[in-house]
Amino acid sequence: EVQLVESGGGLIQPGGSLRLSCAASGFTVSSKYMSWVRQAPGKGLEWVSVIYSGGSTYYADSVKGRFTISRDNSKNTVYLQMNSLRAEDTAVYYCARGTPYENWGQGTLVTVSS
Amino acid sequence: DIQMTQSPSSLSASVGDRVTITCQASQDISNYLNWYKQKPGKAPKLLIYDASNLETGVPSRFSGSGSGTDFTFTISSLQPEDIATYYCQQYDNLPPTFGGGTKVEIK
Repeated sequence: EVQLVESGGGLIQPGGSLRLSCAASGFTVSSKYMSWVRQAPGKGLEWVSVIYSGGSTYYADSVKGRFTISRDNSKNTVYLQMNSLRAEDTAVYYCARGTPYENWGQGTLVTVSS
Repeated sequence: DIQMTQSPSSLSASVGDRVTITCQASQDISNYLNWYKQKPGKAPKLLIYDASNLETGVPSRFSGSGSGTDFTFTISSLQPEDIATYYCQQYDNLPPTFGGGTKVEIK
C-alpha cells in the first residue's frame, strides 16, 4: 500500500527556515515524479515544486530561489527546504506522488508569523 | 501560466440530483486535465485523470469529458458523501495549475 507521511511543519518567524519531509512507503520515490502542493488557510490548491524521476527539479515562481526540493533514495524520502519564509507561505503543505497526483500525504501545517 | 477557470464556485443540490461543474483553460491543454475531490481537513483525492478516465475505486456516478479548453465534471446522482470541494487541474504545461474549486453542498 502506498503511503506518504509529511513532517517538519510548525510556527516559524518571517525570514526563517524549515525543512519538510515526506516519507514514502509502498513504492520508491526515485521511480515517480514527486511534488509539493500547498493550500493557504481557506484557499485553493497551489503547486509548489516537483522532482522528476530523472532528478530534474522545477519550482513555482513564488518560491523560486527560496525553496529547494530534493530526495534521499536510501531513506525513500522527499524534502522541501524552505528558506527566507514569508507570511504568504503560510499553508498546509502536501506531498503528492505521480502525475496526475495519484496519492497524497495528510499534509503538514507551516505558519509564518512573528 | 495556464489559467483554469472553474464554475460555479459553489452549488447546492438535492440528493439524487445531477451535478455539473465546468473548467475552462486559457489555452489548449489537449486532455491533460484532472479532477480532485477534497473534504474539509483532508488531502485531495484523484477522481478523474486525462479528462475522462475514472481512477480505480472511484464510483461510476463520477465522470468527466472534454478536450482542448473546455471540460466538464459530472456527478450523475449526488450522494451525501459527495459533499466536498472539487478542483480541476491541468498538467499540460509547467506550472501545473488548479481551478479555484467548486464547493458542493446538499440542499
